[in-house]
Amino acid sequence: QKEVEQDPGPLSVPEGAIVSLNCTYSNSAFQYFMWYRQYSRKGPELLMYTYSSGNKEDGRFTAQVDKSSKYISLFIRDSQPSDSATYLCAMPFNNDMRFGAGTRLTVKP
Amino acid sequence: DAGVIQSPRHEVTEMGQEVTLRCKPISGHDYLFWYRQTMMRGLELLIYFNNNVPIDDSGMPEDRFSAKMPNASFSTLKIQPSEPRDSAVYFCASKSTDTQYFGPGTRLTVL
Repeated sequence: QKEVEQDPGPLSVPEGAIVSLNCTYSNSAFQYFMWYRQYSRKGPELLMYTYSSGNKEDGRFTAQVDKSSKYISLFIRDSQPSDSATYLCAMPFNNDMRFGAGTRLTVKP
Repeated sequence: DAGVIQSPRHEVTEMGQEVTLRCKPISGHDYLFWYRQTMMRGLELLIYFNNNVPIDDSGMPEDRFSAKMPNASFSTLKIQPSEPRDSAVYFCASKSTDTQYFGPGTRLTVL
C-alpha cells in the first residue's frame, strides 16, 4: 500500500460545478498537508497548505483535513476552465515530501 | 526572485548518449530535490541534498544516474548511458522550510 493514495482520474466537469478532490494516507505521523497544482508542461506549484484537522478557505478553494480518517480533500467552488490542471496532494515528511499520483481535472466551458 | 531555474527545457538524444540536466535553486534554500515524472509512475523522488550534501539517493534507479551539487547555487543530474525508458520530465525543486518550489522541468526524450 502506498503512503498516499489519490485517484488519478481524469475528472471532467462543466464550468461552475463544485469539484471535490481527495487523498487518503496511511502514515499517522504526517502533520502538514498540501495541495499542489500543475498546469500542462509546467512544474507543480503550491496551492494550499494546512496543518490541523478542519477547513481552510482561500477564495474558491477549500482544503479539508480529517486526521482521524486520514483523509484530505480539496474543494473548488464555481470551477473555471482556468482550473484545468493536475492536482497533487502532498505531505512533508523527514525533510522530503510524499506526493499523491495527482488527479487530472478538466473544466469544460 | 527568478525561482528555480532548469536547463535545458527540452532534450532529445539517442540511446547510449550522456545527458546532463542542470538546476539553479532559489537563493537561500538549503534543500534541493530531483524528481522524475511519468504518466505511469507519477512524481518520483530521485535524490535530495541538504547544504550541498546528498542525503537520500535511494530513489536513483540505477548506477547510470548520478547527481552532484558542487555549490549552493548549482546542481546537475547526469544519465550515462541514457536509455529510452529514461524518457520523462525531470524536475528540480528547492526549499528552506516545508514548502518545495519546483522548476519548470526538463523534458527528456531518449530515442
